Amino acid sequence: QKEVEQDPGPLSVPEGAIVSLNCTYSNSAFQYFMWYRQYSRKGPELLMYTYSSGNKEDGRFTAQVDKSSKYISLFIRDSQPSDSATYLCAMRPIQGAQKLVFGQGTRLTINP
Amino acid sequence: DSGVTQTPKHLITATGQRVTLRCSPRSGDLSVYWYQQSLDQGLQFLIQYYNGEERAKGNILERFSAQQFPDLHSELNLSSLELGDSALYFCASSPVAGGDTQYFGPGTRLTVL
Repeated sequence: QKEVEQDPGPLSVPEGAIVSLNCTYSNSAFQYFMWYRQYSRKGPELLMYTYSSGNKEDGRFTAQVDKSSKYISLFIRDSQPSDSATYLCAMRPIQGAQKLVFGQGTRLTINP
Repeated sequence: DSGVTQTPKHLITATGQRVTLRCSPRSGDLSVYWYQQSLDQGLQFLIQYYNGEERAKGNILERFSAQQFPDLHSELNLSSLELGDSALYFCASSPVAGGDTQYFGPGTRLTVL
């Protein structure tokens, strides 16, 4: 079983919809949680970064972490065609190696 | 633009060959990370260097090696290449060793024929 599970999709929604992307994880030591956006043939771009549990909002993006359920979410409000990309969750523990453990990525398409 | 640069963008080579991928971190960043992205395995951590010293190792094959130079640029050397080594190779950098925010370069696409 992978440490981080993420539904690869693809996920297709109409423009303006609220998008919900999720990851589950098994390692209770994970404390730092990130969401990256990756356009086709480009490098991952950091979108959101959260430490431990709670919510964080940045413009149209909201990241949620529920450590009790080992579940993280990214919400995109008022989705735009330019949001079409692959979204990767990533996480790491507070101690030990600083390597990020990534989910498989969810391919999202926003239809005009 | 993350500020991390990688060369070359594309590399096509044959099985058994050796290649070198180069990465320049963001100005001031001391930590460099290498990742491999393939369709079946996703994004996998290979190795981390901090200020010239190896800091952490992941699923890096013995045929692969890396180093970080005094000017902080890093190179990933892949030898005895196999078809399965075809992938995107990304470099990321962060300011400190415990970098929570890692900034990724555009990647090098390696094709082994």
